Amino acid sequence: DVKVTQSSRYLVKRTGEKVFLECVQDMDHENMFWYRQDPGLGLRLIYFSYDVKMKEKGDIPEGYSVSREKKERFSLILESASTNQTSMYLCASIEDRSSGNTIYFGEGSWLTVV
Amino acid sequence: AQKITQTQPGMFVQEKEAVTLDCTYDTSDPSYGLFWYKQPSSGEMIFLIYQGSYDQQNATEGRYSLNFQKARKSANLVISASQLGDSAMYFCAMRGLGTGNQFYFGTGTSLTVIP
Repeated sequence: DVKVTQSSRYLVKRTGEKVFLECVQDMDHENMFWYRQDPGLGLRLIYFSYDVKMKEKGDIPEGYSVSREKKERFSLILESASTNQTSMYLCASIEDRSSGNTIYFGEGSWLTVV
Repeated sequence: AQKITQTQPGMFVQEKEAVTLDCTYDTSDPSYGLFWYKQPSSGEMIFLIYQGSYDQQNATEGRYSLNFQKARKSANLVISASQLGDSAMYFCAMRGLGTGNQFYFGTGTSLTVIP
């Protein structure tokens, strides 16, 4: 069975803290994504990666960075957390360029910045 | 530019009735895929149904069907015989071959099934 695992389900962090959100997939997928989800705004793409050590900015990369040192792991980093980064973060992966392959999501990480 | 539009923030349906959730899209890719996902309150995203842009027939998966009208650029989800467990957020998404494997999501529709 396909599995995308996000290390933390619920986090509470203080403003200014550095936050790491980890994501691991066991499907040998090339492409991995980080989204944030907010009510009324749907899912917005933060960053994606199509290969090890490769990354591309999505629609809302400001305030975030990512790391992909191994194919199975894609980390989202908040260098200095702010209250407007309180959100639900979803990691996802897909197999290849075929438009018919669905995207697989992790269970989500609920981050609260106080 | 790729865009997905879901114009219904919230919908209500009586149990056992059918409901249609609207989705329109815009893309310049000649080949693309359209997807629907369900997100219960627990947060996980569940894949429901897929429609390829060159598929001749509308996709169906159990109680879910996708009403695909290519000329109108619409891909509405039809849920037949609604059940209480269908209450959730529903997201329409699109993926094109020419867009770097990105998925584009709509803002979602919150469906509530009334007993």
